[in-house]
Amino acid sequence: AQSVAQPEDQVNVAEGNPLTVKCTYSVSGNPYLFWYVQYPNRGLQFLLKYITGDNLVKGSYGFEAEFNKSQTSFHLKKPSALVSDSALYFCAVRDPYRDDKIIFGKGTRLHILP
Amino acid sequence: NAGVTQTPKFRVLKTGQSMTLLCAQDMNHEYMYWYRQDPGMGLRLIHYSVGEGTTAKGEVPDGYNVSRLKKQNFLLGLESAAPSQTSVYFCASSYTLAGGQETQYFGPGTRLLVL
Repeated sequence: AQSVAQPEDQVNVAEGNPLTVKCTYSVSGNPYLFWYVQYPNRGLQFLLKYITGDNLVKGSYGFEAEFNKSQTSFHLKKPSALVSDSALYFCAVRDPYRDDKIIFGKGTRLHILP
Repeated sequence: NAGVTQTPKFRVLKTGQSMTLLCAQDMNHEYMYWYRQDPGMGLRLIHYSVGEGTTAKGEVPDGYNVSRLKKQNFLLGLESAAPSQTSVYFCASSYTLAGGQETQYFGPGTRLLVL
């Protein structure tokens, strides 16, 4: 069965520094991978996705993610963090050949320190 | 274009009471989903629907029922509420689950407290 793991419950980064939020996955085939962000008292918002093609995917708000098949990872990155990036981030995965639903990770809370 | 809307925003129930959460989308999406979000558990899929008149179980379906009588609406029912169902419920929709159309659009959530 497909699964996704976010090994860090919380990540703290100083404003202006690069940030990484980690995600690893397990699917039997080629995965579809997603990052979503949730601001306080709001629903989730789509950031970016990897379906096929270039391993480096660029998304909203200056975020990007790199698909690494050998390490089964899809880490979210941003070169220079902003305080407004503080939020809850969810990685999600779908095996397009085996299942018809998307599985979300438990979420990582990102704190950007001024 | 309202996107995905949820009704109500907040509700308090007593154990054993029933209620229905309504999700509506105006994007003509085929797929709709109900999730619950609990601290430390992330989002867990309750039920989903791949089209009008069809529903399927997700990870945590027990205690919930759903119906998709109209394409734009997806109802989540609790027949006999339990304190373990205290949670924040999110509805989402997407065009399909193929060809890169899987991006889900989420509603603002319904906060449910069962006493």
